[in-house]
Amino acid sequence: EVQLVESGGGLVQPGRSLRLSCAASGFTFDDYAMHWVRQAPGKGLEWVSGISWNSGSIGYADSVKGRFTISRDNAKNSLYLQMNSLRAEDTALYYCAKDSSYGSGTGDWFDPWGQGTLVTVSS
Amino acid sequence: QSVLTQPPSVSGAPGQRVTISCTGSSSNIGAGYDVHWYQQLPGTAPKLLIYGNSNRPSGVPDRFSGSKSGTSASLAITGLQAEDEADYYCQSYDSSLKVFGGGTKLTVL
Repeated sequence: EVQLVESGGGLVQPGRSLRLSCAASGFTFDDYAMHWVRQAPGKGLEWVSGISWNSGSIGYADSVKGRFTISRDNAKNSLYLQMNSLRAEDTALYYCAKDSSYGSGTGDWFDPWGQGTLVTVSS
Repeated sequence: QSVLTQPPSVSGAPGQRVTISCTGSSSNIGAGYDVHWYQQLPGTAPKLLIYGNSNRPSGVPDRFSGSKSGTSASLAITGLQAEDEADYYCQSYDSSLKVFGGGTKLTVL
């Protein structure tokens, strides 16, 4: 069974940093691109960042570009999101999601999703 | 403002048919990029419902169907059931980014 388990969320002050992790199991991790998608309280889904199977292709939403860094460790079957200079508007449930392909192409979809880890940015 | 536009809410009685639209533009759906749909039940993570415009993953009932034409896509649900009450999101690709619709809340009356 494919499983994605996020961790690392919590309460953090504006301007500080936080690192999220996603532990993957049940599939060959380095065969697939991976993504972070977030959902602010009571709001819709927002794609945050994606990384190809070999980290050769990385993309970010404009809202986080320059502040967030996605990475992966295929030896540890893990995905990460380093979040710096956090703002109140970054408050959200952050989901890890598996891409349908290795390269995060134009036609790819997300399946499955983890249960999410909550990040709250507040003083 | 989402790149893909969905109605905020739709409703229907049990057994009825409802459709949810997802309207894009020439830079996303109209450019030929595929549309995918997700269902998010209350308090749970999103789940893939339709991929590649009209394909159902195994385990998704055939009451759910997807279509795409021009710059829009649609999700149809027939034989509405109480358990279908959820938020539904469309997703596609635009300018090197994955993009979502704003979501549609389906209420089963």
